[in-house]
Formats: sequence, structure tokens, C-alpha cells
Amino acid sequence: QKEVEQNSGPLSVPEGAIASLNCTYSDRGSQSFFWYRQYSGKSPELIMFIYSNGDKEDGRFTAQLNKASQYVSLLIRDSQPSDSATYLCAVPDKLIFGTGTRLQVFP
Amino acid sequence: EAEVAQSPRYKITEKSQAVAFWCDPISGHATLYWYRQILGQGPELLVQFQDESVVDDSQLPKDRFSAERLKGVDSTLKIQPAELGDSAMYLCASSLAGALETQYFGPGTRLLVL
Repeated sequence: QKEVEQNSGPLSVPEGAIASLNCTYSDRGSQSFFWYRQYSGKSPELIMFIYSNGDKEDGRFTAQLNKASQYVSLLIRDSQPSDSATYLCAVPDKLIFGTGTRLQVFP
Repeated sequence: EAEVAQSPRYKITEKSQAVAFWCDPISGHATLYWYRQILGQGPELLVQFQDESVVDDSQLPKDRFSAERLKGVDSTLKIQPAELGDSAMYLCASSLAGALETQYFGPGTRLLVL
């Protein structure tokens, strides 16, 4: 059974700072990783996916994958209060999700 | 913008009763997923359909849960009988065939079993 682990948080950062969210996984064979954002009471929405080692940037979001160390990170630059949500890491197949990290961005 | 539709949005039932949830995926999405999300946890895949066929139902408690997608479009998830531990958010999602990066979730059905 593949496992995905995340720190549940909350991670609190001031507005404008970089938020760093981490995820470790147990299956060395995992080839791709997905990051979802979930606002309280809402359904998850896909914000990033990464398939290869290194960084992938999309606007203020950067996903970093390190297969040797079996972790994937999500960096949010210039954090805004509207980024306050739970961020879920997931690995296919079956999209196994971590428990999510709650991010709080304070003004 | 196309969306995944789910109904009802909220359901309160008593234990031992039957409940059913409905999902209408985005048009053209061949793959449909049902997830259960307990408060404070990540979603857990219950069943995955490719068109009308079940691809994966290994996590579906088959003694009480059933799912169907008869014409390969909309889908129904049923629980009979409901138990207290079934209280959760039930999420439906759809994607193009095998393309998780195109996956979208519906708004979910929040179930409370009393």
C-alpha cells in the first residue's frame, strides 16, 4: 500500500512570505505527484502536478520533486490570505491522498 | 464552464436507512471517481469507472455500498444500511480517460448518519 505523509499543520505565514509545504511518499516507483487545494467545506481542486525531478513553476506556485529522497514540495510565493486552505498531496494510481497541511496566511 | 454535478448536497439519515448519491460528470469525461472524505483526512477512493465498467473498487465496502454507471454517463452510489461511521463527505470527480491532470471534483454530498 502506497503511503503519503504530510504534516497536518497549521502552517502559519505572514502575507507576502513564501509558504513551503512538504509531502513524503513510500513508493519509490511513483512517477507523478499532484497537489490539490481545498478550502474549508469545499471540494479539492487540482493546482499543480509534476512528473519529473526538479522544479515546475506555475505563477506563484512551484512544485519540487526529489525522487531520491522521496519527497515533493509545494512553494507558494507572495502568500496571500486567500491562499489559506488545506493543501493535499496525492500520488497515482488510485490517487492516494495525504491528510493535507492546513495553511494560514495572516495579514 | 463545465462542472461535475452532485445531488443532494446534504443528507441526514438515521442508521440502518438506505441513502443514494447521484453524480453527473463533465461531458466527454470517460473516467468517473467516487471518493469518501472523513473530516480531517484526505479523500479515499471508493470506486473508479471507465465508461460503464468498474476499474477499481478495492476500497468499496461491498457489504453495504454499491455503485453503478449504467450508460457510462451519470452514476449513483448507494449505502444500505447506513452506519454512524459513514458520516463523511462523498465526492464525485471525473476526468478524460486515464488523464488525472484533467480531473475535476464536484461539490460533494455531506452525509450525516444519526
